[in-house]
Amino acid sequence: QPVLTQPPSSSASPGESARLTCTLPSDINVGSYNIYWYQQKPGSPPRYLLYYYSDSDKGQGSGVPSRFSGSKDASANTGILLISGLQSEDEADYYCMIWPSSVVFGGGTKLTVL
Amino acid sequence: QVTLRESGPALVKPTQTLTLTCTFSGFSLSTSGMCVSWIRQPPGKALEWLARIDWDDDKYYSTSLKTRLTISKDTSKNQVVLTMTNMDPVDTATYYCARCYYDRYYYMDVWGKGTTVTVSS
Repeated sequence: QPVLTQPPSSSASPGESARLTCTLPSDINVGSYNIYWYQQKPGSPPRYLLYYYSDSDKGQGSGVPSRFSGSKDASANTGILLISGLQSEDEADYYCMIWPSSVVFGGGTKLTVL
Repeated sequence: QVTLRESGPALVKPTQTLTLTCTFSGFSLSTSGMCVSWIRQPPGKALEWLARIDWDDDKYYSTSLKTRLTISKDTSKNQVVLTMTNMDPVDTATYYCARCYYDRYYYMDVWGKGTTVTVSS
């Protein structure tokens, strides 16, 4: 089973942008997969945010603000979640996921909005 | 509106078999492309996908847990059941079911609130 690597924590101030990364193992090409992102607040189930394949193939979850967006850094074999205009309510755990033959989650990043 | 609700015992003893039920509404598992997945999350830890059942009764399991898991569905009752045998304290977790579907890609979009299972003697 592949392992998706996410930094355990990240922080940013309200109004700033947060860039959360999800690094795939070297034997899995990020360019070949959708990267899905979920947000989870304490005591709640994960909320589906979006998927990103390319700039021309991406999708937002229902009701998810456009300040949540995805991208990839092929050189780093990494999927990226960008949250612009950070709000206090964005403080949460964020998980990436891929779905090759079966679902694989990253370890999650705890985002603190200072 | 799509909703899912997990139910099952809150406490099981080591070596026992866990049976969880996911009761859903707002979609049908007889619709082409639909599926339901089970995912768990140990306290303070990451999500772990367990199993999936498709509309056509195809079943998929986590490689590491496949010998212990069985997933089934009752389309008439809008329910999916997951059984996990030989429970161990490390299986203590919140167990979620989620709606998934295929539309060019697979998506897993709506989750239940989860049910907490503690494994202890």
